[in-house]
Amino acid sequence: EAGVVQSPRYKIIEKKQPVAFWCNPISGHNTLYWYLQNLGQGPELLIRYENEEAVDDSQLPKDRFSAERLKGVDSTLKIQPAELGDSAVYLCASSWSTAGTGELFFGEGSRLTVL
Amino acid sequence: AQKVTQAQTEISVVEKEDVTLDCVYETRDTTYYLFWYKQPPSGELVFLIRRNSFDEQNEISGRYSWNFQKSTSSFNFTITASQVVDSAVYFCALSGGFKTIFGAGTRLFVKA
Repeated sequence: EAGVVQSPRYKIIEKKQPVAFWCNPISGHNTLYWYLQNLGQGPELLIRYENEEAVDDSQLPKDRFSAERLKGVDSTLKIQPAELGDSAVYLCASSWSTAGTGELFFGEGSRLTVL
Repeated sequence: AQKVTQAQTEISVVEKEDVTLDCVYETRDTTYYLFWYKQPPSGELVFLIRRNSFDEQNEISGRYSWNFQKSTSSFNFTITASQVVDSAVYFCALSGGFKTIFGAGTRLFVKA
């Protein structure tokens, strides 16, 4: 069974440029998460989806970040415009549980460097 | 508010030594779940174990064991006879009310 797939693995852009990350969760997992991981820190939740509905986006900086999960399967996270402080790893995870009781399955992450 | 504290930033041991990674959590929920994840150098977080708040039984899986104590709000992880392949960052996580939060992680170095 395929795991969580993310792309691109690495992205280098200049500040003020847009960037997008894509995630395909494990088949059958209705819950999808985007996390931000800064160097030396634990993952921090950006947004959680139940099917196509964003049920928790309280930590998403909505002035420059947006996300969508059309058809309740794969998801895209966008940053526009990117700032130097956005350099981090963006992790996508999915779960069989809709109540936060189950383990998360993570992708390899998308490492963003903003110059 | 929920919080997970991993006070050990880095631990270095020699192969075959036993090592314990500490995790202390805070929550007001009566029902919650605790997790440990491993993040090897390749970067992908891998699930190791899940425990619910009503199950305080310790668990052993091969060289790994976990000690859950509600009285001290701790969920510690012990690796017995460590190996070089155990070198990674280990995260403790807490889930209650739909949101999973992570500690800052403990980086474990196992030297040959």
